Amino acid sequence: SQQGEEDPQALSIQEGENATMNCSYKTSINNLQWYRQNSGRGLVHLILIRSNEREKHSGRLRVTLDTSKKSSSLLITASRAADTASYFCALYSGAGSYQLTFGKGTKLSVIP
Amino acid sequence: EPEVTQTPSHQVTQMGQEVILRCVPISNHLYFYWYRQILGQKVEFLVSFYNNEISEKSEIFDDQFSVERPDGSNFTLKIRSTKLEDSAMYFCASRDRVGNEKLFFGSGTQLSVL
Repeated sequence: SQQGEEDPQALSIQEGENATMNCSYKTSINNLQWYRQNSGRGLVHLILIRSNEREKHSGRLRVTLDTSKKSSSLLITASRAADTASYFCALYSGAGSYQLTFGKGTKLSVIP
Repeated sequence: EPEVTQTPSHQVTQMGQEVILRCVPISNHLYFYWYRQILGQKVEFLVSFYNNEISEKSEIFDDQFSVERPDGSNFTLKIRSTKLEDSAMYFCASRDRVGNEKLFFGSGTQLSVL
């Protein structure tokens, strides 16, 4: 089934710096989502980008989508210690599928 | 903001025992999901449920697992005879309608099988 693969697996930055995470996938998509998971907690939806969109913003988050390269990136600007979490891209397995699958995630550590 | 509620937050059980994990999805949502996450691993899809029936399930969701929506608010996951490898965090999720692909997750139930 379709799933995204995030890279890097882990990222450590200083507070105030920008963090960029990438997601690659294999087959065509209608949309791609990004979620955050704080340690031991449930996933929280951050942003959804549709296949006909190239870029989307939400607060300090910027997501891009390149369907020709089958890749997406999540940029967090001016990071804060509270941004420390794991970040996942998520895709539906196929046309008409109910199954949203997650990659292994990028573990972001923001050092105060 | 409305939220998905899961109970209990922690469940300890003996191998071979039955467990029921409970979820109250957001009230106007139509699609319901169970996921699990073994410590340190990725979040894995178990099952989706729509219109009072299973719409999709993964290979993990074998005959030991079942789901039910016994009334208009609860959504349960039953594991008939737990195994050590069922120890994981189990997440319930819901979404409201076709065309809105965003999932709302509960905080999870940590299941420990001894």
